[in-house]
Amino acid sequence: EAQVTQNPRYLITVTGKKLTVTCSQNMNHEYMSWYRQDPGLGLRQIYYSMNVEVTDKGDVPEGYKVSRKEKRNFPLILESPSPNQTSLYFCASRDSTDGYEQYFGPGTRLTVT
Amino acid sequence: GNSVTQMEGPVTLSEEAFLTINCTYTATGYPSLFWYVQYPGEGLQLLLKATKADDKGSNKGFEATYRKETTSFHLEKGSVQVSDSAVYFCALSERGAQKLVFGQGTRLTINP
Repeated sequence: EAQVTQNPRYLITVTGKKLTVTCSQNMNHEYMSWYRQDPGLGLRQIYYSMNVEVTDKGDVPEGYKVSRKEKRNFPLILESPSPNQTSLYFCASRDSTDGYEQYFGPGTRLTVT
Repeated sequence: GNSVTQMEGPVTLSEEAFLTINCTYTATGYPSLFWYVQYPGEGLQLLLKATKADDKGSNKGFEATYRKETTSFHLEKGSVQVSDSAVYFCALSERGAQKLVFGQGTRLTINP
């Protein structure tokens, strides 16, 4: 089954404790992206990657890092989480030649206390 | 910059009612337009899309027409069901851009 998976689905952590949210897709997509969803703001892009070892900032990259060492994986790293990073996070992927439809993972709900 | 504005929610309707969720956009070029749906506890799923002016996207009884003259992409359904309860997002993507620009989402609740 074609899908984007994220782990963990739920995470409660404390300020300053480094964490990683994993994202994996099995569709051989070149493009992957991270979004955060906040009430009243819709989804905003954090980072994206056009291919292995190619990443770039989205609209709200502050406080986040990403890496793309393999085509299927695109982890999101919060090196020193803060309460304003409490949010619902979505990973997405798409084929670079398949228009602009993106396929989304199930989401990771992060709470930073 | 590009932006998407959706009607304020939440929206509550009775089963079999007619649904309209308004969406207007601002874009510098000729974007593709999308409606995504988010069911409780799940990720976003593409509901329908339109890639050029006057295109009509449709799926599961939902429709939306790309109106360039009014920069709109309103979502409609003739007879909603309880199972349509979800959050609906309007979004656009410009050619060559590397992201979707989302509206704020509209929560729809359908009562039996």
